[in-house]
Amino acid sequence: GAVVSQHPSWVICKSGTSVKIECRSLDFQATTMFWYRQFPKQSLMLMATSNEGSKATYEQGVEKDKFLINHASLTLSTLTVTSAHPEDSSFYICSAGSGTGSSYEQYFGPGTRLTVT
Amino acid sequence: DQQVKQNSPSLSVQEGRISILNCDYTNSMFDYFLWYKKYPAEGPTFLISISSIKDKNEDGRFTVFLNKSAKHLSLHIVPSQPGDSAVYFCAASEWSGGSQGNLIFGKGTKLSVKP
Repeated sequence: GAVVSQHPSWVICKSGTSVKIECRSLDFQATTMFWYRQFPKQSLMLMATSNEGSKATYEQGVEKDKFLINHASLTLSTLTVTSAHPEDSSFYICSAGSGTGSSYEQYFGPGTRLTVT
Repeated sequence: DQQVKQNSPSLSVQEGRISILNCDYTNSMFDYFLWYKKYPAEGPTFLISISSIKDKNEDGRFTVFLNKSAKHLSLHIVPSQPGDSAVYFCAASEWSGGSQGNLIFGKGTKLSVKP
């Protein structure tokens, strides 16, 4: 299947700093990428949908000025957590969509563990 | 309101037996369903999917059944192996506006397969 990578796989940062997470589709072009957040023992929560060349669509309750998403190319989307707080500590996962109709599939990255101290 | 529900947070099965994971949904517009497997601190791994025009899809040890009238789907794993121990997520989406919509996930079911 298609491969999606994320970098870094884990990061520790201090409160008030910003952290950028990269999501790349390695062997296919993804017009749409998704960013999820997972809290301990909870399901994946969709944060935003990112379309190449346009502004991201954020889910209700997600601060777009805090979680900056850029989808600069068909293979790269970035999530920047600005002015990070300890409550932003979480597991962030990106995914990329490929195909159409019944052949549609969504491939997930390995995730990034963010810890804000 | 949860559109995709996995009412069993955990399931324990003996190795070699069948594991049945259940999922219910409320949105009748969903037309595509997927199961993902997730290990701690890793991204979800796609397992198997089913389109709403089918009621069964099989891939090796994994079979997904869809009952549209009951808005229910299930994942069967036969025979279960210790390596299947993970959290399983059910997800659904609908075709809208010329593209497949966002995946809506259930809360997951933690499967433990005991040797």
